[in-house]
Amino acid sequence: AQKVTQAQTEISVVEKEDVTLDCVYETRDTTYYLFWYKQPPSGELVFLIRRNSFDEQNEISGRYSWNFQKSTSSFNFTITASQVVDSAVYFCALSELKTSYDKVIFGPGTSLSVIP
Amino acid sequence: DVKVTQSSRYLVKRTGEKVFLECVQDMDHENMFWYRQDPGLGLRLIYFSYDVKMKEKGDIPEGYSVSREKKERFSLILESASTNQTSMYLCASSFLEGRYSNQPQHFGDGTRLSIL
Repeated sequence: AQKVTQAQTEISVVEKEDVTLDCVYETRDTTYYLFWYKQPPSGELVFLIRRNSFDEQNEISGRYSWNFQKSTSSFNFTITASQVVDSAVYFCALSELKTSYDKVIFGPGTSLSVIP
Repeated sequence: DVKVTQSSRYLVKRTGEKVFLECVQDMDHENMFWYRQDPGLGLRLIYFSYDVKMKEKGDIPEGYSVSREKKERFSLILESASTNQTSMYLCASSFLEGRYSNQPQHFGDGTRLSIL
């Protein structure tokens, strides 16, 4: 069965600290997609990244980086030099390719607070 | 930019009322989704539509129905509202590229619905 676990419910860091958000997933399929979304206080989920299961290359986008490790079924997200604007709830999500539609399983989310 | 617009940010209704939540997207996306978001549970899929007049049940369809008469509009209906349907409701849309495209979903701002 599909499942996404985000063990960290809430994290608080001081501005400029680095922070890593953990994501562990379960799937029986060999082909799948992983996503991260950000939900700021305004409520709208914002897409951050999509990674397919065949691409284990880590990705960096500005202060954001993602570490995909199939061996441990993890897709962790690191924010370097955190800023107050990074305060949000972050969701990791999984989508299997074989489903009849684009069904996405979301994790419970990690609430990040960056303190000035 | 993709715009997904939900008709209300906040809504208060009474038990037993029929409630309509409206969602409109402006990017000609084939797929549209309704989720509810509850603390600690992440996002759970209520219904999905991949084309006009087509709909598929998600994980928690009980007590809900949907309507998609036009491609850009997807409505969620609470047939007889109950207090356990108090929640944040999120609409999303995505582009269908091929049979299993798993494209990122674009979300509206959400409707916070309270049933008294």
